Amino acid sequence: GAGVSQSPRYKVAKRGQDVALRCDPISGHVSLFWYQQALGQGPEFLTYFQNEAQLDKSGLPSDRFFAERPEGSVSTLKIQRTQQEDSAVYLCASTLEGLGPYEQYFGPGTRLTVT
Amino acid sequence: EDQVTQSPEALRLQEGESSSLNCSYTVSGLRGLFWYRQDPGKGPEFLFTLYSAGEEKEKERLKATLTKKESFLHITAPKPEDSATYLCAVQARNQFYFGTGTSLTVIP
Repeated sequence: GAGVSQSPRYKVAKRGQDVALRCDPISGHVSLFWYQQALGQGPEFLTYFQNEAQLDKSGLPSDRFFAERPEGSVSTLKIQRTQQEDSAVYLCASTLEGLGPYEQYFGPGTRLTVT
Repeated sequence: EDQVTQSPEALRLQEGESSSLNCSYTVSGLRGLFWYRQDPGKGPEFLFTLYSAGEEKEKERLKATLTKKESFLHITAPKPEDSATYLCAVQARNQFYFGTGTSLTVIP
């Protein structure tokens, strides 16, 4: 079956612009995670959803970051007034059940470059 | 403070030269330790989950082991296609913590 997909794959934004990154998890997967991965670093947790409920958003770096999953499937990560330090790869992952420990299936990521 | 440290940062091996990658962690309430492989421009690909000290899992040329403070990923007779970054992650309570990875290059 289809894996986790993310769009766009690449996004270039001018500083101050708003961006929206989309994640389509594996069908039927309950949990969805967003991570930020800087060059040469491991992924850093941003936020976690179980179905449509955002259960943990402690990793969001500022109030410019906002995530939603209104129908418990597709999720959108929105970054307002982008800054250069927001440049990174944003990864989405999903798991079949709740908060594991279950293996996470990752999408290919969206590479955001803020100029 | 919860922390995951991987070593070495980079490793170059000749084809067939076995070695081990290390992941040490300091977290409270460990629920699981995960190994992932990440190729350039792609998301991490799941390899193993380990739940308790003493556990071992194998897949082809890879074997993962877990103690109370660290995990090892043993690579036996690696091939060039094993070249990738290997990431270790731990789940503690409701969060996942990743290491910075080991970049493995296997030379033919």
